[in-house]
Amino acid sequence: AQSVAQPEDQVNVAEGNPLTVKCTYSVSGNPYLFWYVQYPNRGLQFLLKYITGDNLVKGSYGFEAEFNKSQTSFHLKKPSALVSDSALYFCAVRDLYSGAGSYQLTFGKGTKLSVIP
Amino acid sequence: DGGITQSPKYLFRKEGQNVTLSCEQNLNHDAMYWYRQDPGQGLRLIYYSQIVNDFQKGDIAEGYSVSREKKESFPLTVTSAQKNPTAFYLCASKGDRGVSNQPQHFGDGTRLSIL
Repeated sequence: AQSVAQPEDQVNVAEGNPLTVKCTYSVSGNPYLFWYVQYPNRGLQFLLKYITGDNLVKGSYGFEAEFNKSQTSFHLKKPSALVSDSALYFCAVRDLYSGAGSYQLTFGKGTKLSVIP
Repeated sequence: DGGITQSPKYLFRKEGQNVTLSCEQNLNHDAMYWYRQDPGQGLRLIYYSQIVNDFQKGDIAEGYSVSREKKESFPLTVTSAQKNPTAFYLCASKGDRGVSNQPQHFGDGTRLSIL
């Protein structure tokens, strides 16, 4: 089965500094990778995805992610953090769910990002 | 605006009681999903449905049941057999079923607690 790991439970960064939220993956074929953000007591919002093509993927709210096949990583980045970026971030990989031959998402455990004014 | 509506936002369950969480979408999406979120554990798939009148168990289906009688609705029942139901429940939908690169769209969740 595919899996994703988010090695950091929490990331703290000063406002205006660049931020990185890490994600590594394990898949048996070509990886399809996603990033989502969750604000308190809200659902998940889609940020960006990597399917194929350029290793640098641009998404919503100024976020981007770098796909690195040799390091099996898909780290989320932003050049200049805002206090409003403080939230819970989830990495996900498309997974072949053996129960019904369909593809579902497997999520990491999430990383809490705190941007300090 | 199209979207996914979950209700109620907060729900309390007594011992031995079944409760039903509502999920409605007006995105005309085929696939719908229910996830359970616990602190530090990410999202775990409970049930999913790729088409009306069909649904499949996810990783943690025990103690839960669903129905999919209409395309826009996918209610989740938390039965008395679910001994630890306290969690944040999220419903999601996706524009097509099966193999797909499309992202899932999420509702704003229902927080279920035990009385």
